Amino acid sequence: EVQLVESGGGLVQPGGSLRLSCAASGFTFSNSWMTWVRQAPGRGLEWMALIKPDGSGTAYVDSVKGRFTISRDNAENSLYLQMNSLRAEDTALYYCGRFGLAYAMDVWGQGTTVAVS
Amino acid sequence: QTVVTQEPSLSVSPGGTVTLTCGLNSGSVSTNNYPSWYQQTPGQPPRTLISTTNTRSSGVPDRFSGSILGNKAALTITGAQADDESDYYCMLSMGSGIFVFGTGTKVIVL
Repeated sequence: EVQLVESGGGLVQPGGSLRLSCAASGFTFSNSWMTWVRQAPGRGLEWMALIKPDGSGTAYVDSVKGRFTISRDNAENSLYLQMNSLRAEDTALYYCGRFGLAYAMDVWGQGTTVAVS
Repeated sequence: QTVVTQEPSLSVSPGGTVTLTCGLNSGSVSTNNYPSWYQQTPGQPPRTLISTTNTRSSGVPDRFSGSILGNKAALTITGAQADDESDYYCMLSMGSGIFVFGTGTKVIVL
């Protein structure tokens, strides 16, 4: 079964740091473009970051550039999001996802909640 | 700043047809933006409906279809059912690995 399971969310003070993880299974992780998407309470989806299959390239939304870092460990089938200098507006449910061949996300995790307060 | 706009809310009668649109504040949406569409019900992660403008994901009923209408991407639900009542989001590729979600549309079936 194709699956993504996020972990690492929690309550953190403004200015603090948190590292989210996403464990992948059921597909060839090392061949997959991966991404993080977040959803603030009662709000819409926000695309945040993308990483190439070999980790050689990344892209970020402007609001997190310089504060968040997406990375991966293909040997461990894991995706990460290092979040520094957290702000109240970073409070959200964070989803990891796989990009399919067609510039669209085709697998979603259940999400992990980050609260900055 | 790129803003992708969707109708905040649309209503449709059971069995009816509704079209959701996805526009860009900076110009026209084209197939080069690889529009995709996602359905989300409360408390659940999104479900992928459509990729590259009009390709349905596996298991998605054919009452969902995607297209380009004028200068916007569009998602049409033909023969709406009660369980189509959800939030719908489009996503566009802006190039250089950057993607943007639309503001979302709440579809009400009544």
